[in-house]
Amino acid sequence: AQSVTQLGSHVSVSEGALVLLRCNYSSSVPPYLFWYVQYPNQGLQLLLKYTSAATLVKGINGFEAEFKKSETSFHLTKPSAHMSDAAEYFCAVSATGNQFYFGTGTSLTVIP
Amino acid sequence: KAGVTQTPRYLIKTRGQQVTLSCSPISGHRSVSWYQQTPGQGLQFLFEYFSETQRNKGNFPGRFSGRQFSNSRSEMNVSTLELGDSALYLCASSLSPGTERKRYGYTFGSGTRLTVV
Repeated sequence: AQSVTQLGSHVSVSEGALVLLRCNYSSSVPPYLFWYVQYPNQGLQLLLKYTSAATLVKGINGFEAEFKKSETSFHLTKPSAHMSDAAEYFCAVSATGNQFYFGTGTSLTVIP
Repeated sequence: KAGVTQTPRYLIKTRGQQVTLSCSPISGHRSVSWYQQTPGQGLQFLFEYFSETQRNKGNFPGRFSGRQFSNSRSEMNVSTLELGDSALYLCASSLSPGTERKRYGYTFGSGTRLTVV
């Protein structure tokens, strides 16, 4: 079985502060991992993906994530939050089979 | 390159009616998946089509159905609408259901917001 758990359904940070969104996965085989962002009334947009190459993955808008097999984690970070980062963020895993399994999402609020 | 196009963007329907939603994938993408998104349940997989054939189906009642045409465009239909069907319906396309999707991920449309009253 494969799944992802996103810790914290709501995260608030001050503008300019570090953003850390947590994602832990469960998979019996090496996984493919993804982070997507969703702005209000929009679809999901791919931020970054891990496909078994480098463990530190850089994405769009200054985001990056590190794959840690020992911790079964794929946390999303950004050094300095911007007001435009306020959105819903989804972690997803695809390992065995072809389906994607999405987490329940983390809503990021950026406080000016 | 045009993105994934979903029409209409918004719909209001009455309980008991039926509705059809449309999705045009990115040119060259032959796999189309549908998801239902609600605040309480998150993203739930409805079904996937590839080469006009349903490849996978989620745990939804038979009122939810879909199809894919030879040009890869897909439609989903919900019959006998219930209040609980109110949701954002997202279409996601990929080159194929296999390794390419794992390597590149999905491309999502902006969704159709369905409200059942």
